[in-house]
Amino acid sequence: SQQGEEDPQALSIQEGENATMNCSYKTSINNLQWYRQNSGRGLVHLILIRSNEREKHSGRLRVTLDTSKKSSSLLITASRAADTASYFCATAPQETSGSRLTFGEGTQLTVNP
Amino acid sequence: DGGITQSPKYLFRKEGQNVTLSCEQNLNHDAMYWYRQDPGQGLRLIYYSQIVNDFQKGDIAEGYSVSREKKESFPLTVTSAQKNPTAFYLCASSIPLGTGVIEAFFGQGTRLTVV
Repeated sequence: SQQGEEDPQALSIQEGENATMNCSYKTSINNLQWYRQNSGRGLVHLILIRSNEREKHSGRLRVTLDTSKKSSSLLITASRAADTASYFCATAPQETSGSRLTFGEGTQLTVNP
Repeated sequence: DGGITQSPKYLFRKEGQNVTLSCEQNLNHDAMYWYRQDPGQGLRLIYYSQIVNDFQKGDIAEGYSVSREKKESFPLTVTSAQKNPTAFYLCASSIPLGTGVIEAFFGQGTRLTVV
């Protein structure tokens, strides 16, 4: 099974609303990252949070990490139609020494104008 | 323009044929990766290479082969042994951001269809 599992699988909101996506993982991690994928394109790195951090901000993005619950959330505030994409969490399991990333199955976000 | 270039964007293959997907990067990254993505799903790691002339199997390496003769290039061959090769293939490279931390940069993908 996937190391990271996103929830919900799909989310549809109106422009201006906030979007929250969650990610759960199974093993101890060194860090957790969020990536975005526009339809039929490659992934783009959004934000990284290390295992000793609890919250991080970048523009309209806010990421939290709870290592005791093995979960993370990505909040996009004041969403725009251009935010429509798939969002993936990626983890770097400690046993791999950060040499590889394991991706979840993603949340498909649709922001309606 | 620095980045990762995958070619071709679309590829059609007849059953039983081998096909090679190209991945080139000019970011001077040591590590490179191949992922497979099926519709509506996440990425699964096929192979990765942390340095020239060395590579390791990922989670779904059966039916695939790679080479890493140059730092800039990491081609993936989909062999006839891969029973269900139709998928979207993504190549990535990474930079270290600290001990045990990497950031991945992706190409635009190659969509392979078996006809």
